[in-house]
Amino acid sequence: DVKVTQSSRYLVKRTGEKVFLECVQDMDHENMFWYRQDPGLGLRLIYFSYDVKMKEKGDIPEGYSVSREKKERFSLILESASTNQTSMYLCASSSSGTRFYEQYFGPGTRLTVT
Amino acid sequence: DQQVKQNSPSLSVQEGRISILNCDYTNSMFDYFLWYKKYPAEGPTFLISISSIKDKNEDGRFTVFLNKSAKHLSLHIVPSQPGDSAVYFCAAIRGGTSYGKLTFGQGTILTVHP
Repeated sequence: DVKVTQSSRYLVKRTGEKVFLECVQDMDHENMFWYRQDPGLGLRLIYFSYDVKMKEKGDIPEGYSVSREKKERFSLILESASTNQTSMYLCASSSSGTRFYEQYFGPGTRLTVT
Repeated sequence: DQQVKQNSPSLSVQEGRISILNCDYTNSMFDYFLWYKKYPAEGPTFLISISSIKDKNEDGRFTVFLNKSAKHLSLHIVPSQPGDSAVYFCAAIRGGTSYGKLTFGQGTILTVHP
């Protein structure tokens, strides 16, 4: 079974803090993704990575950065947290094979910025 | 620009009846369409997919129909069970790369009453 784990289930941070969200997958997947989920908006892609040290902007990258130093680990960084970044953050991974479209998700991190 | 839309925020169905969840899209370049299911406090899980060259795909109680001329797809669950109660996300993806960016709809909350 594919396992995608995220470092925290719940996180409370103050405005202006630097926040790190960590994601680890154990299936040797090439592709990793960060989404945020907000009510009425579905899942929106923040950043993704198709290889170590490679990253691409998603649909809403502003205020975020990412790091992928190892194949199994993909980190999302909020440089200076703001209240509008309060959300559910979901990490996903996928292989680059024939079922590249099937993404496996972690349980999510509910981040509250006060 | 919402390229994938689920216009029904919620659906309520009696156990044993059919559940029909709908999804519309605007981008004719999408190559695959997927449905994901999400329980509270868990990440989304892949349910079923369909290629743009097909009009139907079946997997047990779940069938996805694709109408390309109408840019519409639907997920049928027959018979519905209380355990199917979850949020269902429609998603679409373009081929041509090995990583594939999913574009999600807003989600539909399905409640199946015993």
